[in-house]
Amino acid sequence: EPEVTQTPSHQVTQMGQEVILRCVPISNHLYFYWYRQILGQKVEFLVSFYNNEISEKSEIFDDQFSVERPDGSNFTLKIRSTKLEDSAMYFCASRRVGPYNEQFFGPGTRLTVL
Amino acid sequence: TQLLEQSPQFLSIQEGENLTVYCNSSSVFSSLQWYRQEPGEGPVLLVTVVTGGEVKKLKRLTFQFGDARKDSSLHITAAQPGDTGLYLCAGARDNQGGKLIFGQGTELSVKP
Repeated sequence: EPEVTQTPSHQVTQMGQEVILRCVPISNHLYFYWYRQILGQKVEFLVSFYNNEISEKSEIFDDQFSVERPDGSNFTLKIRSTKLEDSAMYFCASRRVGPYNEQFFGPGTRLTVL
Repeated sequence: TQLLEQSPQFLSIQEGENLTVYCNSSSVFSSLQWYRQEPGEGPVLLVTVVTGGEVKKLKRLTFQFGDARKDSSLHITAAQPGDTGLYLCAGARDNQGGKLIFGQGTELSVKP
């Protein structure tokens, strides 16, 4: 069964460094999302992407964040200058065009900012 | 701001018992998903409900969407240790690709 994949599974970085989290959504899906989950807290929406542009973003998704679909398969989240509070699990999700908003999640990238 | 409140937050039961998890909001959702999440992994979709009053069954799990599409419940019959995990409800305001709003989750522990 097709699934969303994410790399790396764990990223450790120094505060102020740039990180790029990568996702390969399910191949026939056209809507892409990033969510994050700080340890012990709710899963929070960051951004949605459709037709090569951001369709919605949350207050968390400030100028330090960007997303890109550089080719036909990858979907990336870049954090330009990481902060301690960016430490979290980052989940990519995707869904196909259809009547139901069924989003399928990847296994996540655990980002640790030191 | 739309919120989804799940209850209970923690539930510890014996194998064979029944349980119900609730997901409530003051807002209407176009659809509601239930996910299960294991530690260190991503949420895995269990079911989507879209119609008010809808009931869906997945083996021993029964999901219901409230008539007004503001709340949902997950009922597990004869729980087994393999049901242990974090159960999340997530609502969508629209079915056009909008974000999911998650509840805080119910941590279920089923003891043999």
